Parts: sequence; C-alpha cells; structure tokens
Amino acid sequence: QQQVKQSPQSLIVQKGGIPIINCAYENTAFDYFPWYQQFPGKGPALLIAIRPDVSEKKEGRFTISFNKSAKQFSLHIMDSQPGDSATYFCAAGAQKLVFGQGTRLTINP
Amino acid sequence: GAVVSQHPSWVICKSGTSVKIECRSLDFQATTMFWYRQFPKQSLMLMATSNEGSKATYEQGVEKDKFLINHASLTLSTLTVTSAHPEDSSFYICSAYTTGQETQYFGPGTRLLVL
Repeated sequence: QQQVKQSPQSLIVQKGGIPIINCAYENTAFDYFPWYQQFPGKGPALLIAIRPDVSEKKEGRFTISFNKSAKQFSLHIMDSQPGDSATYFCAAGAQKLVFGQGTRLTINP
Repeated sequence: GAVVSQHPSWVICKSGTSVKIECRSLDFQATTMFWYRQFPKQSLMLMATSNEGSKATYEQGVEKDKFLINHASLTLSTLTVTSAHPEDSSFYICSAYTTGQETQYFGPGTRLLVL
C-alpha cells in the first residue's frame, strides 16, 4: 500500500516534444504529490507539486494532471529542451514521501 | 529561499572509521529532516526521519546503531556512519521539511566512498 509505481523507466524525446511520465499510488491517505528533477551527482530539486483537491496544475512548461479516482498522476513537459534531460521522480505522501522508481529522460536536439 | 546544504559534498574514508555528514536548512527552520540513501541509477530510499529534540525514527532494515542521527536544532541534523564498510558507500541525501509550504527540500547530497 506504500508503493508508488512510475513509468516509463526511460524516455527519449526530440526537442520540442512533450514527454509524459506517469505514476500510480495505492494509499488513499496520500495528500501531496510532488515531482522532483535530479541531475547526475546532485540532490533532487522540487519541480512542481499538486494536492488532490485539483485535477491539474501548471507551472511554466511543467503540468501535473491528477486523477484521484484512478489514483494516478502524470507530468507533462511542454516544448522540451535538451536541458530538461535528467531523471524525474514522482512521490506521494504527506510529510513523509514514498518515491517512484524514477524516469531517465533524454531530450535530443 | 528554501535552501538546504550538506557538508561534506564527498568523502573518502578507510574501512572501520566513522564519518559525519551535516545537513543544514539555511533560510528556514525545519522541524523535521529526512535522510535518504541512493544507489546508482536507483530511487531514493528513506533511511530515517528526524525531529528536532527527539530520537530519530528509522525505516525497517536500517541499523540505528550504524547510522546515528542527531537533530540538534531547527536548522541542523547530522548523520554519522559508524564503523563504515565498503558496502556503506553510497550517495546520502538529506531533506528538510518546512511546515510553511508543507514540502521537502533536498540538499545537494554527499557521496561517501569507503575503501
């Protein structure tokens, strides 16, 4: 019940494309769903987060879509750039977070 | 805002020695700090949760006598890897939770190599 399943494991997209990363959770008590971006050798950086009272949140080129009934949420990156190439982690929880397995995203020029 | 620092950023030590890693929240007070471990190309694994002024809560399978955590103030938590062995080599990352924004902010990580 504590798992967060993330897919795909890796993703390659051309510059300007819209990569989509999906996550599914099990615990209905979770009320906070952040996405983190991590570059090699660095700590994760908070990208965007959503709470279950809204179905979508947009910040710049990043959008979270949230489906409470399906217990799923996803990250969309608009107009992707080579600098977006990184590993992305979804997480779910409250104060304590459970992390997905990560998605290694490559944006080709 | 919401900057978390870690020191050192990397450390190499001999097997059997102890290593202390500091985690500081620079511009906010953190009642709760978390310590994670990350192996190459893997996700973050929560090791323990530390609250200021109280004993840390360790996740199942994490040896509390091996990984000593002290949360001395609202801006500082330390992780001490005692009697380190090569299998303790990993990337250790802390995060600080801010009740104001109700989110975790991560430090830059500490790479530990035990020879």
